Amino acid sequence: SQQGEEDPQALSIQEGENATMNCSYKTSINNLQWYRQNSGRGLVHLILIRSNEREKHSGRLRVTLDTSKKSSSLLITASRAADTASYFCATDAKPPNYQLIWGAGTKLIIKP
Amino acid sequence: DTEVTQTPKHLVMGMTNKKSLKCEQHMGHRAMYWYKQKAKKPPELMFVYSYEKLSINESVPSRFSPECPNSSLLNLHLHALQPEDSALYLCASSQVSGQEIHEQFFGPGTRLTVL
Repeated sequence: SQQGEEDPQALSIQEGENATMNCSYKTSINNLQWYRQNSGRGLVHLILIRSNEREKHSGRLRVTLDTSKKSSSLLITASRAADTASYFCATDAKPPNYQLIWGAGTKLIIKP
Repeated sequence: DTEVTQTPKHLVMGMTNKKSLKCEQHMGHRAMYWYKQKAKKPPELMFVYSYEKLSINESVPSRFSPECPNSSLLNLHLHALQPEDSALYLCASSQVSGQEIHEQFFGPGTRLTVL
């Protein structure tokens, strides 16, 4: 089942620029995760942010969470060609039952 | 070892064939998952095993039959599939602690084509 929307659906930027993707969800959550998927491959976990956290950093990644707006954003700074991928947000179900509820994804293309 | 392996990488089968997809992890994770993913879509959960017991079956047709022989292995048996079952099948695993959702580690997937 799908929790919400991600926007934009697709984003194309020049290498070195920053990329921002947004995720909205519908119900209250315990945590929200971001994953990356290179074309036709498995997903890679990027970062998990809990509902009591507002911001989290990991390398060039910065994730924010606004539970009042039921939204999150993923910022990738100083983008590289290798960042070209699809990015998905996922939230836990209520009540928690091992199930992740996935956003539709943002396709990011970094132009050299 | 933080890897989830899946075999085969690619599989082409006819509608009358029986085949199996295999998944293995050695991270000590006690939750394992099967997902189906169509192009340009997010993964769709099919099954969840927790401590080798089937916890979730997302109303998947019986032509898909999961099996968890032990804590490291997960199989998906396929029989009498339809062309619309062609997709990327992903296996994942995660820690279990109470009911908290942990990060999931994904395998590279099996690209299945049903003729």
